[in-house]
Amino acid sequence: DQQVKQNSPSLSVQEGRISILNCDYTNSMFDYFLWYKKYPAEGPTFLISISSIKDKNEDGRFTVFLNKSAKHLSLHIVPSQPGDSAVYFCAAREHSGTYKYIFGTGTRLKVLA
Amino acid sequence: EAQVTQNPRYLITVTGKKLTVTCSQNMNHEYMSWYRQDPGLGLRQIYYSMNVEVTDKGDVPEGYKVSRKEKRNFPLILESPSPNQTSLYFCASSRGWGEVFNEQFFGPGTRLTVL
Repeated sequence: DQQVKQNSPSLSVQEGRISILNCDYTNSMFDYFLWYKKYPAEGPTFLISISSIKDKNEDGRFTVFLNKSAKHLSLHIVPSQPGDSAVYFCAAREHSGTYKYIFGTGTRLKVLA
Repeated sequence: EAQVTQNPRYLITVTGKKLTVTCSQNMNHEYMSWYRQDPGLGLRQIYYSMNVEVTDKGDVPEGYKVSRKEKRNFPLILESPSPNQTSLYFCASSRGWGEVFNEQFFGPGTRLTVL
């Protein structure tokens, strides 16, 4: 049973436009959400995170929105650049005494020049 | 340079032959973790450690062992590897688990094939 779902395996966007990557979750014990970017043959790198008590966090071109009632979060990239082409993973932290991380299956973003 | 290193980067082995994948970080991080990445399944946490001598199971711990005898090292042990453990493995570490310490730094990955 997938607790963190990224329902879009891939997304193509024109350079300069907005990229919106979505993530849904089912577990109410998640207290932090994170986004990672992964290039081929490399390990994932951290992009941005948000606490479950907030609804928005912004860092440069990247903004994460959290809708707790819908159990949904999204990553907005504005403007999109060709170097943003990568696989994006949504992750959630479960706080139940210890700290465990659940990742989604990833969305491959392609930014077209 | 701050980094997480994994060795080996590539390994082909046979069923039942014990192996260890090493992981080391030079950032004095408290939290370390192992993940496997499989097509269509994303990253799944195998084991994690919040401190020396403290380890906990992630979502897919079966067939794996870990130890955390020193802060910097977190080896992954496959006592009797099987073909379903063929995967891409990542080690990761983070400074802690508070709000500003959530960021995990990942190693470059170890591609394991079990024949």
